[in-house]
Amino acid sequence: QKEVEQNSGPLSVPEGAIASLNCTYSDRVSQSFFWYRQYSGKSPELIMSIYSNGDKEDGRFTAQLNKASQYVSLLIRDSQPSDSATYLCAVTESGYSTLTFGKGTMLLVSP
Amino acid sequence: EAGVTQFPSHSVIEKGQTVTLRCDPISGHDNLYWYRRVMGKEIKFLLHFVKESKQDESGMPNNRFLAERTGGTYSTLKVQPAELEDSGVYFCASSQDLSSPLHFGNGTRLTVT
Repeated sequence: QKEVEQNSGPLSVPEGAIASLNCTYSDRVSQSFFWYRQYSGKSPELIMSIYSNGDKEDGRFTAQLNKASQYVSLLIRDSQPSDSATYLCAVTESGYSTLTFGKGTMLLVSP
Repeated sequence: EAGVTQFPSHSVIEKGQTVTLRCDPISGHDNLYWYRRVMGKEIKFLLHFVKESKQDESGMPNNRFLAERTGGTYSTLKVQPAELEDSGVYFCASSQDLSSPLHFGNGTRLTVT
């Protein structure tokens, strides 16, 4: 049974702070890792993908992957109230084939 | 470009009734996926179409669920007869090919009473 674990939160951070979201996965053959953002009642939206160990930066977002520890994280710098949402970690064996999701972490950024 | 659209946005039915959910993928997207999130659980894969063919239906919970994609355009997911445990949010997603990101719809919230 493939599992993706996330702390459900809520994770509360003040505006301007760094938000750190974490995810662990059980299937060692996982090769592709994704972070989705979901606002309440809306569709999950892909914000980051990462495939190799290390860091990947895109604007205020940094994804970090450690395959040996089966751990992937998302850092959000200079957090804004508009970043308040549920962040979903998803993994797959290859490409964008069948995604295995975690339950998501709710992030609350206070002004 | 229109996104993935799902209809209805909400559906409330009684146990034993039939419900049909519809998904219109982004035009030109051959890959269409159905996912489901039940209360308190993670989003789980149901099945994957490539054009009109079922590529992977390993996530379909049982034979009360029937998905179709006639003509390779829109897809329907029928639940017959619905049970209480079928309540949840059903998401549809589409992609141009297997190396492209999935675009999700806003989901259909199904409540079975």
